[in-house]
Amino acid sequence: NAGVMQNPRHLVRRRGQEARLRCSPMKGHSHVYWYRQLPEEGLKFMVYLQKENIIDESGMPKERFSAEFPKEGPSILRIQQVVRGDSAAYFCASSRPGTGATWVTSPLHFGNGTRLTVT
Amino acid sequence: SQQGEEDPQALSIQEGENATMNCSYKTSINNLQWYRQNSGRGLVHLILIRSNEREKHSGRLRVTLDTSKKSSSLLITASRAADTASYFCATEDNKLIFGAGTRLAVHP
Repeated sequence: NAGVMQNPRHLVRRRGQEARLRCSPMKGHSHVYWYRQLPEEGLKFMVYLQKENIIDESGMPKERFSAEFPKEGPSILRIQQVVRGDSAAYFCASSRPGTGATWVTSPLHFGNGTRLTVT
Repeated sequence: SQQGEEDPQALSIQEGENATMNCSYKTSINNLQWYRQNSGRGLVHLILIRSNEREKHSGRLRVTLDTSKKSSSLLITASRAADTASYFCATEDNKLIFGAGTRLAVHP
């Protein structure tokens, strides 16, 4: 398992249900990022986590969305009471910490995403 | 926040031609990265150029950076059908911020 693993690959939920998206980062990576992508659009940042800490959640909707990256196990993006507008592809990426005084961000390694469809 | 914006939105060329994609951003950066995304897949890192670099090569890829104009370009030389994908630039703000991308189609 050399890459970032996301599951499930496809997830269908009815309005009002909960969606749980899982991400296992690359081995040795301690930083996890979640992005959301609508068709024909770029990736929108949602949240940046390190083990047991949320570093930046400025892209997360204030309600219904939460994320965690526990000491053991995968990172989880949780969407409660899903609505049709939540339908999108959700990508997880991982990296090593940046280095140097000027904060050079390490390249991100992406999973193949979870495609959430809300019916 | 900083954000790269790619231009053009879509580009259609024949195999063997060169493809040039541009990226503009708003504030000062430490580095700029380019990524590629095949349909239905995650992004793949292509190249990182630091703010003190002006040009960088990787195989058929050439990236330039002009910090005075806050712009970068990605050139793919001798394109192949397999280069068909979306290409994104990304700048950092404690995390990577992506532009909307350029959709490149290379026709055999």
